[in-house]
Amino acid sequence: QSALTQPPSASGSPGQSVTMSCTGTSSDVGGYHYVSWYQQHPGKAPKLLIYEVTKRPSGVPDRFSASKSGNTASLTVSGLQTEDEAEYFCCSYAGNVNWVFGGGTKLTVL
Amino acid sequence: QVQLQQSGPGLVKPSQTLSVTCAISGDSVSSNSVAWNWIRQSPSRGLEWLGRTYYRSKWYNDYAVSVKGRMTINPDTSKNQYSLQLNSVTPEDTAVYYCARDGGYSGYDWDYWGQGTLVTVSS
Repeated sequence: QSALTQPPSASGSPGQSVTMSCTGTSSDVGGYHYVSWYQQHPGKAPKLLIYEVTKRPSGVPDRFSASKSGNTASLTVSGLQTEDEAEYFCCSYAGNVNWVFGGGTKLTVL
Repeated sequence: QVQLQQSGPGLVKPSQTLSVTCAISGDSVSSNSVAWNWIRQSPSRGLEWLGRTYYRSKWYNDYAVSVKGRMTINPDTSKNQYSLQLNSVTPEDTAVYYCARDGGYSGYDWDYWGQGTLVTVSS
């Protein structure tokens, strides 16, 4: 069982927006500004989408945005495109050189 | 452009040692500003950070509690690569193993990943 809780699935139609959550505790998500999000297509390595809660690496479209409130982080994908269909994982630093992950949310673009 | 190319056997017998190597191009294993990690993914355990090696005037290694004592990460400066060794494996260690770089942004996330190596522990 993963340390961070993510809903197993989410869906939306092209052009719509979808928000997925990532719930931890005050020892991880709530305690550090080091939440990251990854996109993973089947058979591929994860790709960094968001770091330090809200920041996007260069090359990541601004359709991807994220936030945090208390022990819950959220990722929003706006203007859904078919290529956004993938699994999304959150990750948080948990102190003492340790990171914890969520179980992932499978996004389906209908 | 940083690229990480993994290699290693896909099948390991229980109680033996699992080894995977990650060859780096476009960066240096001896860089003073990044670290080189191992992360694995399995259906039963999900994504799991395992450990990292990095150079800051000398070499440092950090390991997850779950593998400490069984895992060793070795940098190889002559080949610009690093490797993972996991001893006394059990079927629970069956997973896709990824190498990944941190430090490109905050140091608490991984911006470049290898392609993954599926390692099955089975007799």
